[in-house]
Amino acid sequence: DVKVTQSSRYLVKRTGEKVFLECVQDMDHENMFWYRQDPGLGLRLIYFSYDVKMKEKGDIPEGYSVSREKKERFSLILESASTNQTSMYLCASRYRDYEQFFGPGTRLTVL
Amino acid sequence: AQSVTQLDSQVPVFEEAPVELRCNYSSSVSVYLFWYVQYPNQGLQLLLKYLSGSTLVKGINGFEAEFNKSQTSFHLRKPSVHISDTAEYFCAVSFSGGYNKLIFGAGTRLAVHP
Repeated sequence: DVKVTQSSRYLVKRTGEKVFLECVQDMDHENMFWYRQDPGLGLRLIYFSYDVKMKEKGDIPEGYSVSREKKERFSLILESASTNQTSMYLCASRYRDYEQFFGPGTRLTVL
Repeated sequence: AQSVTQLDSQVPVFEEAPVELRCNYSSSVSVYLFWYVQYPNQGLQLLLKYLSGSTLVKGINGFEAEFNKSQTSFHLRKPSVHISDTAEYFCAVSFSGGYNKLIFGAGTRLAVHP
């Protein structure tokens, strides 16, 4: 079975802190994605990566950056966390055009 | 602009009753279609997908969906629901071209009552 893991299930940070969310997949997938999930809005794509060191902006990249130094790991970085970044963050990976496999999510609260 | 609309934000239903969760999309290009389920405090799990071929797609847990190209719809159905089907359901569409990003609907919360 494909496994996508995220470093934390719950995270509480203060406004202005730098926040790292880590995602690891174990199936050698080429593509990886970061989404945020908010009630009534579904999932919105923040960034995705189609290969090591390659990244593309999604629909809501403002306030976020990403890093992909190794194929299995994709990190989401909040340079200076703000309260409007309180949300559920979901990581996913995909092999070419097939379906995306999701991690369990990180619920981030910024105070 | 390409978009996905889930027509019901919440669907209450009694156990063993049939259910239909509706999904429409707007696109003039080829699409791949997916339904995902999210149980409380978990990530998303794929229920079923349409890539090509038969327009009636069967998935896990007794769910099925029908792709209707003329109505640009991909409604999810189950003939008899269980309490354990209580969850949030997301319709997602991947439009051809680019990196085949998934566009998600806002979700439908299915609440099954005894």
